[in-house]
Amino acid sequence: DGGITQSPKYLFRKEGQNVTLSCEQNLNHDAMYWYRQDPGQGLRLIYYSQIVNDFQKGDIAEGYSVSREKKESFPLTVTSAQKNPTAFYLCASSSEGETNEKLFFGSGTQLSVL
Amino acid sequence: QQQVKQSPQSLIVQKGGISIINCAYENTAFDYFPWYQQFPGKGPALLIAIRPDVSEKKEGRFTISFNKSAKQFSLHIMDSQPGDSATYFCAASKGFQKLVFGTGTRLLVSP
Repeated sequence: DGGITQSPKYLFRKEGQNVTLSCEQNLNHDAMYWYRQDPGQGLRLIYYSQIVNDFQKGDIAEGYSVSREKKESFPLTVTSAQKNPTAFYLCASSSEGETNEKLFFGSGTQLSVL
Repeated sequence: QQQVKQSPQSLIVQKGGISIINCAYENTAFDYFPWYQQFPGKGPALLIAIRPDVSEKKEGRFTISFNKSAKQFSLHIMDSQPGDSATYFCAASKGFQKLVFGTGTRLLVSP
C-alpha cells in the first residue's frame, strides 16, 4: 500500500532531551511537510521540503530541526529548545509542481513531556 | 491577510440532520478551498475542494457552498451519520503557495 508512515505513534520526552520523529513515504512525492496540531489551533506548519537536501522554515520552526537526505524520508527532531513540545505531530507529502496541492497525511505521532 | 477563520469550534447534530461548518478568508487572491476530514488518532484526509469559479460543489452527502463576494465558504453534510463524527478543517491557498488551515470544527453526530 502506498502511503506515509509515521513512527512512533506515542513518544515521551524528558526535560532537556532531543527526540526524533520518523516520517517515511512511498508515494514518490517530492514535497514533504511537518505540521503541529494543538487543540483549537488547527494545523501549523513547522518545516517543509520541496526537494532532497533542501528545506524551508514554516510558521513555527523555532525549537525544531529537520533533514532531507532521501526523497522518502523527512525526520523531525524536537530539540530541548522547544519549551512546549506536547502536541500531535503530522507529516504530509504532496506532488511538487502542482498548483493547489493535495496533501497526504500520515497517522501522526503524539509527543508528551514526562 | 493569510488567516482562515473557521466556526463553530464544535458542533452536535442529530443523526439525519444537516451539519454546517463555515469559513471566512481575507486574501482575495486565494484560488483553492479544500476541506479535510480527520478521525481521532489519524491524519487529515482531503474530503472535497472547490475553486472560486463555481458557487457550489457536491460530492455525495457533502456540499461546499462558496460566496466570493462575502469571502466565505461552507461545508454542508446532508443526512449526517454517526460515522461522520470527526474534526473538519477548511483551508485555502493560492497557486503554489502553502495551504493555510482553519482551526478546525469537532463534529459529533448523535445516534
